[in-house]
Amino acid sequence: DAMVIQNPRYQVTQFGKPVTLSCSQTLNHNVMYWYQQKSSQAPKLLFHYYDKDFNNEADTPDNFQSRRPNTSFCFLDIRSPGLGDAAMYLCATQGRINEQFFGPGTRLTVL
Amino acid sequence: GQNIDQPTEMTATEGAIVQINCTYQTSGFNGLFWYQQHAGEAPTFLSYNVLDGLEEKGRFSSFLSRSKGYSYLLLKELQMKDSASYLCAVEGYGGATNKLIFGTGTLLAVQP
Repeated sequence: DAMVIQNPRYQVTQFGKPVTLSCSQTLNHNVMYWYQQKSSQAPKLLFHYYDKDFNNEADTPDNFQSRRPNTSFCFLDIRSPGLGDAAMYLCATQGRINEQFFGPGTRLTVL
Repeated sequence: GQNIDQPTEMTATEGAIVQINCTYQTSGFNGLFWYQQHAGEAPTFLSYNVLDGLEEKGRFSSFLSRSKGYSYLLLKELQMKDSASYLCAVEGYGGATNKLIFGTGTLLAVQP
């Protein structure tokens, strides 16, 4: 089945230790998004790609970086995670009517 | 500015009908989405409205009034599995592609 896959589902890291979250899609969609969602809050857009064109949100901290080596894969790199970065990280792609298809998310814990 | 308002929580009874309202004020508008999100899971797409009126999809319907900046999601014949958070999201203008602005969601509890 065509889908958006995120690995790992749960990630534990230490304060300040770099971590990479991965996302892959079999939908062949041009647009991919990364969101951060904290408990009982709306998903917050960090950045998105239109093909290889990278678009950073103005309030996304420099601590967050992203790579998209090809259509299928997208990575979120957190260079120096702080306690405030503990959250669910959601990857999504954009469909034909601009609906977004979300992956299952990666829940990040920072110790 | 961008502002999307939804009630924080609602409670309803199994088999009943519930209406979840959403009002929005955004700098651009291309359409409005409703998503369902179960605890600890990703949001899943429910409906999309771009023109005024009602879109029906099985037990779920969504209504939009662009002039009033208002939408609602109507859930009929409620089931226990409908207990989830329901997110209203407005598609705004984002340059090469449009972005979604999410509300904080309405947590619906369905009781027996």
